[in-house]
Amino acid sequence: DTAVSQTPKYLVTQMGNDKSIKCEQNLGHDTMYWYKQDSKKFLKIMFSYNNKELIINETVPNRFSPKSPDKAHLNLHINSLELGDSAVYFCASSPFPRLAADTQYFGPGTRLTVL
Amino acid sequence: AQSVTQLGSHVSVSEGALVLLRCNYSSSVPPYLFWYVQYPNQGLQLLLKYTSAATLVKGINGFEAEFKKSETSFHLTKPSAHMSDAAEYFCAVSRRSNDYKLSFGAGTTVTVRA
Repeated sequence: DTAVSQTPKYLVTQMGNDKSIKCEQNLGHDTMYWYKQDSKKFLKIMFSYNNKELIINETVPNRFSPKSPDKAHLNLHINSLELGDSAVYFCASSPFPRLAADTQYFGPGTRLTVL
Repeated sequence: AQSVTQLGSHVSVSEGALVLLRCNYSSSVPPYLFWYVQYPNQGLQLLLKYTSAATLVKGINGFEAEFKKSETSFHLTKPSAHMSDAAEYFCAVSRRSNDYKLSFGAGTTVTVRA
């Protein structure tokens, strides 16, 4: 069984389109995250939710909107896609209570290419 | 503010040789420290983490790391490299407070020569 899964694995789209990436975890964790990995492999956190509540919102354009329908799911919707949005997006989760020492479990990533 | 620096964006080792990946952190208070590995086209996987229990931390696949407060370092080592160790390695820190935000280093690509 996959612990943290993401769909789709690859996403190729045109500039200006709107797209969504879905994430699901079956680990029973309360906290979920979205990370962006750029072409130089630098990883930066974008958002974090704890039990459907937004707890981390880094400096991310408001074209990006996370949505958590329940604590096992965290989706990422991106409006008006731009070339600079091309990256690999990783979902992750960690247990409750959320602690600085928690291990985060990562999904396989979604490679987004904006043409 | 906290940050982490990985020295060397690319390390090439021979199979059977020592693997040494360097990580230094900057923080007024020793943070929690992690090493994650990313195999090609996969997500990140935890290798090991330091949470103040012991300064020498053993992880999976024969890796270990030593926390040195005086040097603000958390270098990762493996005595004998295997071809399967070829991957991207990330050092990360999080603060010793109720802050679960991971800050990653820029990563080190490890290639293993036969």
